[in-house]
Amino acid sequence: RKEVEQDPGPFNVPEGATVAFNCTYSNSASQSFFWYRQDCRKEPKLLMSVYSSGNEDGRFTAQLNRASQYISLLIRDSKLSDSATYLCVVTDHAGNNRKLIWGLGTSLAVNP
Amino acid sequence: EPEVTQTPSHQVTQMGQEVILRCVPISNHLYFYWYRQILGQKVEFLVSFYNNEISEKSEIFDDQFSVERPDGSNFTLKIRSTKLEDSAMYFCASSEEGPLYGYTFGSGTRLTVV
Repeated sequence: RKEVEQDPGPFNVPEGATVAFNCTYSNSASQSFFWYRQDCRKEPKLLMSVYSSGNEDGRFTAQLNRASQYISLLIRDSKLSDSATYLCVVTDHAGNNRKLIWGLGTSLAVNP
Repeated sequence: EPEVTQTPSHQVTQMGQEVILRCVPISNHLYFYWYRQILGQKVEFLVSFYNNEISEKSEIFDDQFSVERPDGSNFTLKIRSTKLEDSAMYFCASSEEGPLYGYTFGSGTRLTVV
């Protein structure tokens, strides 16, 4: 099983649509979870951390299910500027050595 | 907003040559990292650095690679005897303590080995 697995997409959606991405991770010891956004040939940028209780930041909602080792990202009212690759990222283990384990990413294209 | 600065943005080198990639992490961050991303592939961990020493490294980070924090602000990655397969984007990152902060990445150095 891959360490962090994502559907690569691409997801093609119209402006205003709601789109959801899923991610599974294999290491039950992972403690921290993130969604990063990466534009083509640019550095990854932190979109949001994912908390056990679920969290929302504007149009973005992240959920974590530790029992199923599953993370999700929901984007509401998608904008053209949301077009990017969304990377699911988990820490390798607790403690100071917070090595990040990355998914391959899910590509999103929002169309006018 | 504080940022991580990387130089150069693009480096072309001949196979077998040595390259040094430079990074200036955010000043109050304590943890520093190098990651790489081969075109079309996932981001891969190379090495983490804390308290002036390597705290963890991946199997990719073999004797060909070394890191240094020579002067308290710069954080460098040296690749000796570069190979074609070293061509990738190399990202430097830094972070504060705390499990939910994530990292701040630099804009990367695109290394092309010819």
